[in-house]
Amino acid sequence: DTAVSQTPKYLVTQMGNDKSIKCEQNLGHDTMYWYKQDSKKFLKIMFSYNNKELIINETVPNRFSPKSPDKAHLNLHINSLELGDSAVYFCASSQGFKREDNEQFFGPGTRLTVL
Amino acid sequence: SQQGEEDPQALSIQEGENATMNCSYKTSINNLQWYRQNSGRGLVHLILIRSNEREKHSGRLRVTLDTSKKSSSLLITASRAADTASYFCATDGTGSARQLTFGSGTQLTVLP
Repeated sequence: DTAVSQTPKYLVTQMGNDKSIKCEQNLGHDTMYWYKQDSKKFLKIMFSYNNKELIINETVPNRFSPKSPDKAHLNLHINSLELGDSAVYFCASSQGFKREDNEQFFGPGTRLTVL
Repeated sequence: SQQGEEDPQALSIQEGENATMNCSYKTSINNLQWYRQNSGRGLVHLILIRSNEREKHSGRLRVTLDTSKKSSSLLITASRAADTASYFCATDGTGSARQLTFGSGTQLTVLP
């Protein structure tokens, strides 16, 4: 069984469009994350939710809006897509961000290409 | 600047050799973690070392941590072609909103 799943795996779209990426974890974890990995493989955190509440919101354009309907899901909606949004987006989860050992489990990634 | 910086950026070795990757960071940490990323896949957690630990082993992996130098190293012994991947260190900071800050990664290629 997949622990952290994301859909879609690939997303190709035109500039200016709005798109969503879905993430689900079946590990019973409390905390979920969204990361962006650029073409140089640099991985940067975007958001973090704990039990559906936002705990980390890095300097991300407000075109990006995360939504957590329950603690097993953290979706990412992106408005007015720009060329610079092209990247691989990873969802991750952990048992709880305050735990001593905050090991994270990653999804397979969504490769977003904005044309 | 990034919290974690890996060195080297790329490493190419023969199967059976040992691979050593280094990571430096800037601020206080709770723990430091190493992850592996195979091409086109998500990251996989390898090993975690706490700030009060100096060395940890897991199978063919050995991690060291020197908090005075703010550095860590990952040693993979008897490497295999399947170890070919990118390796990232990630620091878990001491702030109230705990988060992992990833380094830039080392691309390891193990030649058969």
